[in-house]
Amino acid sequence: EVQLLESGGGLVQPGGSLRLSCLVSGFNFRSYATNWVRRAPGKGLEWISSISSSGTTTHYAESVKGRFTISRDTSKNTLYLQMNSLRAEDTAVYYCAKDGSGWKPIDSWGQGTLVTVSS
Amino acid sequence: DIQVTQSPSSLSASVGDRVTITCRASQDINNDLAWFQQKPGEAPKSLIYASSTLQPGVPSKFSGSGSGTDFTLTIASLQPEDFATYFCQQYDSYPFTFGPGTTVDIK
Repeated sequence: EVQLLESGGGLVQPGGSLRLSCLVSGFNFRSYATNWVRRAPGKGLEWISSISSSGTTTHYAESVKGRFTISRDTSKNTLYLQMNSLRAEDTAVYYCAKDGSGWKPIDSWGQGTLVTVSS
Repeated sequence: DIQVTQSPSSLSASVGDRVTITCRASQDINNDLAWFQQKPGEAPKSLIYASSTLQPGVPSKFSGSGSGTDFTLTIASLQPEDFATYFCQQYDSYPFTFGPGTTVDIK
């Protein structure tokens, strides 16, 4: 069974940093692209970053480019999102999500972790 | 970037109703369109990819259609568990973009 378990969320001040982790199991981490998607209060889903199955290619939404970094450690089956220069508008539930095989979109989601940026 | 819109933004329906939600992309995305369902306090659930292919385990009351720029999600007979917010997403090119969502609530 595919499982994704996020951790690392919490309260952080504006301008601060936080690193989210997503422990995955039930699938070969090296064979699938993985993503971070967020949902801010009262807003819709926002795709923010992807890392390819090979781990060599990353993509970012303009809203986080230059501030967030996606990475993974296949030996630990863990996906990361390093978030720097956090802003109030980054407040959201952050989900990690696995793509399907080949050029297929997200097929599995974690339960999410809440990040609150506030002074 | 490809913009994605949805209509309506919300709708009220009764159990047993047939419901259709529309998604439009700002440029041709072939059939690289997915649909997701999210209930309050829960993670999203993947329903459909490639415009019309159901994810494993998704009941056949859900169906998708369309190609190019215009797509639809249809729920054949609305059940209580279907009241939720539905999002479409284009995955034809980065940055992948979601539509703003359609909330389906009880009439």
